Amino acid sequence: GENVEQHPSTLSVQEGDSAVIKCTYSDSASNYFPWYKQELGKGPQLIIDIRSNVGEKKDQRIAVTLNKTAKHFSLHITETQPEDSAVYFCAASISVQSGGGADGLTFGKGTHLIIQP
Amino acid sequence: DAGITQSPRYKITETGRQVTLMCHQTWSHSYMFWYRQDLGHGLRLIYYSAAADITDKGEVPDGYVVSRSKTENFPLTLESATRSQTSVYFCASSRLAGNTDTQYFGPGTRLTVL
Repeated sequence: GENVEQHPSTLSVQEGDSAVIKCTYSDSASNYFPWYKQELGKGPQLIIDIRSNVGEKKDQRIAVTLNKTAKHFSLHITETQPEDSAVYFCAASISVQSGGGADGLTFGKGTHLIIQP
Repeated sequence: DAGITQSPRYKITETGRQVTLMCHQTWSHSYMFWYRQDLGHGLRLIYYSAAADITDKGEVPDGYVVSRSKTENFPLTLESATRSQTSVYFCASSRLAGNTDTQYFGPGTRLTVL
């Protein structure tokens, strides 16, 4: 089955700096890669996703890049702010149309992002 | 718009007892999921459901039972709780299959088994 590795487990950056979280996946058939943000005491919330037919996607200060050849994808947060402090999870899956099961998402173990004032 | 809710938010029980965690969503999403979250393991899928009366096992189903008689509800039952089931449990739902559509998570239930 799919295996998703996520690094680092903890990342501390100064407010205003950029943060990068990296994930690798094992199944070359995976074609959907979402990122979730979990704030303390809450459930995860989707912040951005990317599909295998694009290499990069951006939404304001957040961007995700995908390298299918190397089987890795990354989350980039620019101009970090205190409210960016949270745990971030990457995930990977194979779409049902491509033969994946309906349950599909395999999550990484998470990165605790700390924004230092 | 209530979205997706879970109850109780906190539960303490004893080894061997049966406990049911409730999940309710108001969007009429077809797909619903139960995850457990443990330090060092991230989110692991326990069970999922593609529609009412259709359920299937995830990565870690042992010791759990689910049912889905109505689209909006997806209860998770621990038939005989064990200490290893101490965890935070999240319910989620999605309109389409969970591997290609946004999953919306509930606030979680923190379960402690003594």
